[in-house]
Amino acid sequence: GEDVEQSLFLSVREGDSSVINCTYTDSSSTYLYWYKQEPGAGLQLLTYIFSNMDMKQDQRLTVLLNKKDKHLSLRIADTQTGDSAIYFCAESMMDSSYKLIFGSGTRLLVRP
Amino acid sequence: GAVVSQHPSWVICKSGTSVKIECRSLDFQATTMFWYRQFPKQSLMLMATSNEGSKATYEQGVEKDKFLINHASLTLSTLTVTSAHPEDSSFYICSATSAAGAGELFFGEGSRLTVL
Repeated sequence: GEDVEQSLFLSVREGDSSVINCTYTDSSSTYLYWYKQEPGAGLQLLTYIFSNMDMKQDQRLTVLLNKKDKHLSLRIADTQTGDSAIYFCAESMMDSSYKLIFGSGTRLLVRP
Repeated sequence: GAVVSQHPSWVICKSGTSVKIECRSLDFQATTMFWYRQFPKQSLMLMATSNEGSKATYEQGVEKDKFLINHASLTLSTLTVTSAHPEDSSFYICSATSAAGAGELFFGEGSRLTVL
């Protein structure tokens, strides 16, 4: 079945880079996403990558996809205190009408 | 970007009452909407998929008589929690996509339900 795994917690210092990792099991994934959730709020789409891409960069965010190992990562450069939040990776499959399977979320804490 | 709005953002109700949560796509036609439930410090669990004009498809383990979903128009889906009990207290989040969304989903801000 479908399963998406993430580490639960990451703490970094302000200005450092953060790398959040995610593994998934379904090789038929078409899109993989990174979402940010701040306390008590809904989800904010940060970025997404199509499954035939290896890398996508968007300002401070870099997404790396290793399709062979089914490993997805999100790197945040120059991490700021405002980046503290929960980050979810998610995958969607073409044959499931774009429904998303979410990982458990990684809580990122940025220390001043 | 596309906006999806949920209402109410927080509702407190007594046990046994029914609560309706609305999800609206404000600037696009949402052919498909999804309802998720999120427990504290946990991930989002997909409850159901609703396509405009047809019955919702519920995920395994979700009681369709308990969580009524209606998607009567291309901009509105509603989730009604019937005869709510304290264990139904949760954060409910909807998302929407259009046929041209190319896999992009837009999420609402979420609705917190507290059942006393």
